[in-house]
Amino acid sequence: QKEVEQDPGPLSVPEGAIVSLNCTYSNSAFQYFMWYRQYSRKGPELLMYTYSSGNKEDGRFTAQVDKSSKYISLFIRDSQPSDSATYLCAMSAQDGGSQGNLIFGKGTKLSVKP
Amino acid sequence: NAGVTQTPKFQVLKTGQSMTLQCAQDMNHNSMYWYRQDPGMGLRLIYYSASEGTTDKGEVPNGYNVSRLNKREFSLRLESAAPSQTSVYFCASSPLLSRRTDTQYFGPGTRLTVL
Repeated sequence: QKEVEQDPGPLSVPEGAIVSLNCTYSNSAFQYFMWYRQYSRKGPELLMYTYSSGNKEDGRFTAQVDKSSKYISLFIRDSQPSDSATYLCAMSAQDGGSQGNLIFGKGTKLSVKP
Repeated sequence: NAGVTQTPKFQVLKTGQSMTLQCAQDMNHNSMYWYRQDPGMGLRLIYYSASEGTTDKGEVPNGYNVSRLNKREFSLRLESAAPSQTSVYFCASSPLLSRRTDTQYFGPGTRLTVL
């Protein structure tokens, strides 16, 4: 079993839809959870950052972490064509050493149609 | 403030050739990283440098060497390129000494093809 699992999609939705992107993980030591957005032929850019469990909201984006289920989600409300990109989840453990490195999901490709 | 810059943007090599990928950041970050991204594999860490003067292996270090030249620059070297090293290479940096709470900032990538 991979440490981080993410459905690669592709996911296609109409403009204005609510999008739900998800990752599951197996390492209970993970404490820091991030979502990166990557446009085609560009580097990933940090979108959301969450520590431990709970929700975090930033504009149209909401990140949720459920540590009991080892499951994280990113919700996009009122999706726009400009949201079309690949979304990568990433996470790391609290301990130092190699456990501090980010572990990335493979990314979900999202397309928002006008 | 350019963030993280990488050179070159594209490169084609023949098997056995060597080359160095350059990375620089102007955010005064302590930590720097090299990743490769392959279809279906996601981002995989090659090497990282937690601070100036230190480097450590990541998940896939074989066939690569790195140099943390100074706080700003972190280079990745392929001594004898192989077709399996065809990939998109990303450099990243993060502000903290500890990787425990890292948020990483990525460069635009180098697309490398090894024939």
